[in-house]
Amino acid sequence: DAGVIQSPRHEVTEMGQEVTLRCKPISGHNSLFWYRQTMMRGLELLIYFNNNVPIDDSGMPEDRFSAKMPNASFSTLKIQPSEPRDSAVYFCASTLGGGNSYEQYFGPGTRLTVT
Amino acid sequence: QQQVKQSPQSLIVQKGGIPIINCAYENTAFDYFPWYQQFPGKGPALLIAIRPDVSEKKEGRFTISFNKSAKQFSLHIMDSQPGDSATYFCASSPSNTGKLIFGQGTTLQVKP
Repeated sequence: DAGVIQSPRHEVTEMGQEVTLRCKPISGHNSLFWYRQTMMRGLELLIYFNNNVPIDDSGMPEDRFSAKMPNASFSTLKIQPSEPRDSAVYFCASTLGGGNSYEQYFGPGTRLTVT
Repeated sequence: QQQVKQSPQSLIVQKGGIPIINCAYENTAFDYFPWYQQFPGKGPALLIAIRPDVSEKKEGRFTISFNKSAKQFSLHIMDSQPGDSATYFCASSPSNTGKLIFGQGTTLQVKP
């Protein structure tokens, strides 16, 4: 398996622009997580899905952030409008889910820079 | 409470040394305690994990010690090598959720 795939790997955009980050989880995994990593705040869970349904979005910073999972093999995290303080590395992770399958497999991340 | 506190923030040891990284959690409803390793430019990867029904788990040179009453757990790296230089994150998972709450991370440098 190719692992969790994220695109783009790097994104540079200007303040106010819309940014869309994409994630393809490992085939067969039914839970998907979006994280944000910064030096100041570490690894923060933004939102997670079970079977394509959002379960907990309490980590989403504000209404400018939204996430969707239209099917089991694709998810997006959108920031509109973007701000410089959104600059971070965004990770997507997936897990088999259920029972004792808690191991999360992380993608390589998207480094977002908002100028 | 949903916090996980990790220490130290950074650590430098000589090759062959035994770095120890500590974590404390607040919520007794957590039931899964993994450690993740992250190299620069990469996503975190699972290193080793433990459930609260055991006090210690060893996998190769990596050992987790778990103290349920104190709500603390730690990672020990035996015979550390320069290739172990990375950032280490502890995490805790609320029961039956699968989600992870991460500590702040520890940057480890192992000098040759």
